[in-house]
Amino acid sequence: DAGVTQSPTHLIKTRGQQVTLRCSPKSGHDTVSWYQQALGQGPQFIFQYYEEEERQRGNFPDRFSGHQFPNYSSELNVNALLLGDSALYLCASRTRAGANVLTFGAGSRLTVL
Amino acid sequence: SQQGEEDPQALSIQEGENATMNCSYKTSINNLQWYRQNSGRGLVHLILIRSNEREKHSGRLRVTLDTSKKSSSLLITASRAADTASYFCATDPTSGGSNYKLTFGKGTLLTVNP
Repeated sequence: DAGVTQSPTHLIKTRGQQVTLRCSPKSGHDTVSWYQQALGQGPQFIFQYYEEEERQRGNFPDRFSGHQFPNYSSELNVNALLLGDSALYLCASRTRAGANVLTFGAGSRLTVL
Repeated sequence: SQQGEEDPQALSIQEGENATMNCSYKTSINNLQWYRQNSGRGLVHLILIRSNEREKHSGRLRVTLDTSKKSSSLLITASRAADTASYFCATDPTSGGSNYKLTFGKGTLLTVNP
């Protein structure tokens, strides 16, 4: 039973570029959340998707956008990259029913030069 | 913004010793969870304690929750080198609605020396 898978694992971009990160949730999960984790910090909530709609959003600018597909997989897009966007981006999935426990992927490490 | 604040920020102990980490939070919660992260990898759920529970055990883990003080502690007994990781508390403010946003603290880096 595959857990949460994320791609790519590492990527390097330059300021002003755009990036797309991808996530496939754990089998049976229908809700996907994205978190940004800067070095030495805890994960910061970006947004959550359920039924292909953004349901909740953290304190992130509109440069951060996302999408959820009918198969529950999700993408995170970041436009006009800044140096401060360098971080580990974590995707987490869960089911709407039951306890609110997240299953995380291994993350995508983004470096902006 | 961070909801939980872990204390200490870093903890170094010898194998076999117990490790205690604390978490303080600010708002009312439905439950509090602890997660573990190995060196920049994904987080792994360890244990969940509901707001109406005061203590919970899972293997070598013991979690306490004091809602009057808005604090929790995680105790790892008989630590092993493999327990070396960062530990995060996460608060769930859900009260029966559809808000599933977990808010994480900054974490405690635990180093267990062989």
